[in-house]
Amino acid sequence: GVSQTPSNKVTEKGKYVELRCDPISGHTALYWYRQSLGQGPEFLTYFQNEAQLEKSRLLSDRFSAERPKGSFSTLEIQRTEQGDSAMYLCASSLGYWPNEKLFFGSGTQLSVL
Amino acid sequence: TQLLEQSPQFLSIQEGENLTVYCNSSSVFSSLQWYRQEPGEGPVLLVTVVTGGEVKKLKRLTFQFGDARKDSSLHITAAQPGDTGLYLCAGATGNQFYFGTGTSLTVIP
Repeated sequence: GVSQTPSNKVTEKGKYVELRCDPISGHTALYWYRQSLGQGPEFLTYFQNEAQLEKSRLLSDRFSAERPKGSFSTLEIQRTEQGDSAMYLCASSLGYWPNEKLFFGSGTQLSVL
Repeated sequence: TQLLEQSPQFLSIQEGENLTVYCNSSSVFSSLQWYRQEPGEGPVLLVTVVTGGEVKKLKRLTFQFGDARKDSSLHITAAQPGDTGLYLCAGATGNQFYFGTGTSLTVIP
């Protein structure tokens, strides 16, 4: 399945964090979402292979994401803020619209103290 | 801002009861999906509906896509404790999936 590391990350305000997502082999599409407790996931960004095709306005300039060679992806957060605390979910898919099926990882729970 | 509003937000029922969860939007979607999420895990896909008016059944779960492809409903018959979880609808448009606000269901034995 989709693997996300670390599963939990506790950091201090102002620090840098990097979250990693390894999609299912052969899946060309990769999505990042942010989820607050009990709420639905909010879209952050989308890759088709190595190209970042969509980016939400939720992704401030402190956030950056990449997917080198269309394989794993990283989501980097600079100068973390307490408001960044959330579950960060990654999903991958084969890219067959409209019957697209998203497969999610178990997420990274980020806590900024 | 989330495009899809779900109701109710919370639902607590006794085992054996029936329930319906609604997913509404003013936007048109090319397809709509329903997911269930358990604590500490990512959402797991239950069903995809593509055609307006489409009805799909998955054992005790019935999913319907609105005629105008803006809304959907999930009906569970004879709920069981194993149905407990966060139910999420997700609408597909362009290359994105927009998730609903979520419905937290608790089924009491």
